[in-house]
Amino acid sequence: KAGVTQTPRYLIKTRGQQVTLSCSPISGHRSVSWYQQTPGQGLQFLFEYFSETQRNKGNFPGRFSGRQFSNSRSEMNVSTLELGDSALYLCASRPGTLYNEQFFGPGTRLTVL
Amino acid sequence: DQQVKQNSPSLSVQEGRISILNCDYTNSMFDYFLWYKKYPAEGPTFLISISSIKDKNEDGRFTVFLNKSAKHLSLHIVPSQPGDSAVYFCAATQDTGANSKLTFGKGITLSVRP
Repeated sequence: KAGVTQTPRYLIKTRGQQVTLSCSPISGHRSVSWYQQTPGQGLQFLFEYFSETQRNKGNFPGRFSGRQFSNSRSEMNVSTLELGDSALYLCASRPGTLYNEQFFGPGTRLTVL
Repeated sequence: DQQVKQNSPSLSVQEGRISILNCDYTNSMFDYFLWYKKYPAEGPTFLISISSIKDKNEDGRFTVFLNKSAKHLSLHIVPSQPGDSAVYFCAATQDTGANSKLTFGKGITLSVRP
């Protein structure tokens, strides 16, 4: 099976812009979670989607949003970018919410200038 | 507040010896624990996990020990190999509950010297 794929792998934006990141989960996986990794804060949970519904959300401002499509692919959007949003954004999938192990993609490296 | 703590940021070990990576947690609701390994420019790779109903789980060279009373777990790698050099993250969750998100520690950089 192919692993979790994320596009794009690298992105450079300027403050105030918005960005959309994409994630395709492992085939058959219906749950997709997003995490932000920064040197200072480590890996922090953003939100999780299952069957096109957000079922859990971390402590991030409303500028961070996401959605999931019927084929389980997910997108994450960050509006009004700030310098502090520069990070590695990781997507993880699992078959369903009864499974604890999550499988990560390679991430999207976002740089905000 | 940091609910999962990996207090040692780095560890250096000789090839062939044992690597012991430690992790502490504060949230007593956590009942499932996972270890991930991460190479630069790659996403974390799942290594091994343990449920709170066990105190040990073994998979090849990797063994995870859980001490619930101390809220402490450790990952043992025996024997250590140069290819094990990576960042290791400890993660915790409430087993399949409504709050089944993963809470990560900040990671330990393991260097295995040839």
